[in-house]
Amino acid sequence: ETGVTQSPTHLIKTRGQQVTLRCSSQSGHNTVSWYQQALGQGPQFIFQYYREEENGRGNFPPRFSGLQFPNYSSELNVNALELDDSALYLCASSLRTGLNEQFFGPGTRLTVL
Amino acid sequence: GEDVEQSLFLSVREGDSSVINCTYTDSSSTYLYWYKQEPGAGLQLLTYIFSNMDMKQDQRLTVLLNKKDKHLSLRIADTQTGDSAIYFCAESYNQGGKLIFGQGTELSVKP
Repeated sequence: ETGVTQSPTHLIKTRGQQVTLRCSSQSGHNTVSWYQQALGQGPQFIFQYYREEENGRGNFPPRFSGLQFPNYSSELNVNALELDDSALYLCASSLRTGLNEQFFGPGTRLTVL
Repeated sequence: GEDVEQSLFLSVREGDSSVINCTYTDSSSTYLYWYKQEPGAGLQLLTYIFSNMDMKQDQRLTVLLNKKDKHLSLRIADTQTGDSAIYFCAESYNQGGKLIFGQGTELSVKP
């Protein structure tokens, strides 16, 4: 069973650019959640996708958008990057049964200069 | 409102017990979790407790929940150097829904 994977591991962008981060869910999982973790802080919920539909959104502006594909992998897109977008972006997948535990990937470290 | 608070640092000696505390503000939270984060790794779920429980024990881990005071604690017995990490408490209203995390407690275990 493959765990949650994310790519790339690290990324450096400049202010105003756009970025796409990718996440492959754990095998069989149909729900993906994205979190932003600033340095020294806890993760903040961005949004969740269930069967390709957005299923809840945190307090993030519209320039943060996402997609979930039929194979349940997911992308996080951020437009018009700002310096404050520098953070670790975590993806978590889950299956809507039982505890519905969210399994986290190792994250993508985004630096905006 | 949604707010989860934790103390930032804890230092213990190997073999001692560690107690990490957390307070939350939203009484409608149904599930409370403890996650562990090691450098370069994602978050690992350690244990969880439903809001209708007072205590849960899982091997070296004991979770205590005081719902009246909205206080959650994680006790790690016989703490080892491998337990050094950042520990996050988190709450959610429903299974699989958004998790609201505290800012994390960095546990340092000295030999």
